Formats: sequence, C-alpha cells, structure tokens
Amino acid sequence: GDSVTQMEGPVTLSEEAFLTINCTYTATGYPSLFWYVQYPGEGLQLLLKATKADDKGSNKGFEATYRKETTSFHLEKGSVQVSDSAVYFCALTSSGGSYIPTFGRGTSLIVHP
Amino acid sequence: DVKVTQSSRYLVKRTGEKVFLECVQDMDHENMFWYRQDPGLGLRLIYFSYDVKMKEKGDIPEGYSVSREKKERFSLILESASTNQTSMYLCASSFLTSGGLDTQYFGPGTRLTVL
Repeated sequence: GDSVTQMEGPVTLSEEAFLTINCTYTATGYPSLFWYVQYPGEGLQLLLKATKADDKGSNKGFEATYRKETTSFHLEKGSVQVSDSAVYFCALTSSGGSYIPTFGRGTSLIVHP
Repeated sequence: DVKVTQSSRYLVKRTGEKVFLECVQDMDHENMFWYRQDPGLGLRLIYFSYDVKMKEKGDIPEGYSVSREKKERFSLILESASTNQTSMYLCASSFLTSGGLDTQYFGPGTRLTVL
C-alpha cells in the first residue's frame, strides 16, 4: 500500500537558518503530494501541494518539488522565523480513486530567537 | 472562507459515558473523516464517509461509531468511553477529483479527556 516517510524530529533551528524536512513516499500510479502544518492548539492546514512530477508547490516562503525519480517531496525554507514553529506533515493521495489519504508521522520544528 | 467546525474544543467525560463529537463543513464536500492524534503516533484514521449515510472503517474503528445523516455533518460516537480514548480528535473534509482526493480541510480539533 501507499506510505509516507518523513524525518523524525524535533528539528531545532535558530531564527534565519535554512530548513529542510525530508519526505519520501511509495505509491502506485501518480499521487498528489501535500505538506500540511499544525500550529500549537490548532488543526492541520494546507501549506502547499503538487499534483504532478516536477511541479513545485510554494507558500509563505516554503517550497517543495515533486521528484518522481527519487519519490521525494522535501520541504525547504531559506530563512525560518520563530512563528514557523509547528508540526509539519507530509501526505499523499493516490490517483486511483482512493478515499483515504496517507500521512507521515509529522516533524516538529522549533525555532529559537 | 472555507470552514470546518467541531462542536467542542475541550471535553471531559467519565468512563462508560456515551460521547458525541460533531463536525460540520460548509464546503459541500462529499468526503468527511475522523482522525485521532496522539504523541508519537501521528494521525490515525478512525472512520470516513464518502456520501450521506455511507461510512467506511479506517485503521482504528474499535470503540467508535459514526453517523452521517446530512452532507455537511459527520458525527463521531464513543459508545462507552474509556480512558484509552483520551486523545485529540480531528475532523476533516475534502472533494474527490479525477486525480484523487483533493486538499483536506481540518477542524480545530477536540481534546477529549476520559476520567
């Protein structure tokens, strides 16, 4: 079945540091890929998505590129802020009409001033 | 602005009580989901529904049931609450497109404590 593997956290960075959170996946067909963010005390919200190979999703300074050849969708940001402290989830949905998305375990990011 | 609302942010119940968690979405989505979120375990799917009165079990349905009488509302029921059901419960909804399930929209969550 489908699966998503993302790096374990917590990831601890200083403000203005470069961020990478790795995400790799296994899926049949051509999945859509997502990054969700969960701020403390809230539900998840979409950060960015990509629906086909080589697409780049971007939002709020975050970027991720759909790499079919390496089955990856790594999240990056050039300069993190304290307000980026949250839990980040990588997820996919299959193109085969499945009603169930697949989520990674989540990676906690802590940014210090 | 799209919205998924959950009936309570915090709930405290006693062991053996019947508990109802309500979720309402205003986006006319066919698909609705209930997850529980526990530290170190990520999101685990309890039940989902792809249409009114339709429901399917997820990964951890034991001890739970659901109801979907109207398209916008999806209820999670704990028939007899137990302490191991203390958790954060998240509701979500989404469209199904030709390319698969689209973006999930989540509610703010209900933190349930069972004493």
